[in-house]
Amino acid sequence: EAQVTQNPRYLITVTGKKLTVTCSQNMNHEYMSWYRQDPGLGLRQIYYSMNVEVTDKGDVPEGYKVSRKEKRNFPLILESPSPNQTSLYFCASSLEGSNTEAFFGQGTRLTVV
Amino acid sequence: AQSVTQLGSHVSVSEGALVLLRCNYSSSVPPYLFWYVQYPNQGLQLLLKYTSAATLVKGINGFEAEFKKSETSFHLTKPSAHMSDAAEYFCAVSEGFGNEKLTFGTGTRLTIIP
Repeated sequence: EAQVTQNPRYLITVTGKKLTVTCSQNMNHEYMSWYRQDPGLGLRQIYYSMNVEVTDKGDVPEGYKVSRKEKRNFPLILESPSPNQTSLYFCASSLEGSNTEAFFGQGTRLTVV
Repeated sequence: AQSVTQLGSHVSVSEGALVLLRCNYSSSVPPYLFWYVQYPNQGLQLLLKYTSAATLVKGINGFEAEFKKSETSFHLTKPSAHMSDAAEYFCAVSEGFGNEKLTFGTGTRLTIIP
């Protein structure tokens, strides 16, 4: 089954404790991206990647890191999480770029206390 | 810079009535425009996409949207609302080819009144 898989689905952590949210897709898509969803703000793009070793900032990259060492994986790293990063996070992949259909994961609800 | 404005964070319509969700965009180049739907506790899924082939775009579940360049709009419509249409709807814009950001609007929550 074609899918985007995020782990974990739920995470509660403390301020400053490094964490990684994993994202994997099995569709051989070139484009992958991360979003955060907050009430009243919609989805805001954090980072995106056009292909292996090619990443770029979205609209809200501060406090986040990403890497794209393999085509299928695009982990999101919070090196020193803060409470304002409490949010619902989505990973998505597209065949070629942002102008093609995005397939979304189920989301990761992160709480930073 | 590209942007999207969705007017109305909440829209309520009666079952069987017309659904109209509004989206206006800003882009420095001819845009790619999308409508996505999010059901509770799920990720987003594509309803329809505009890529300049035709100004009236038909999507899944009876939805359609019309691209109007003069009004910089891409409103989503459905002639007759069904209870299963209750969800949150997001409009998104991409300029593509050199600017690979995908920008979403703030969303419109659609409630269907029985």
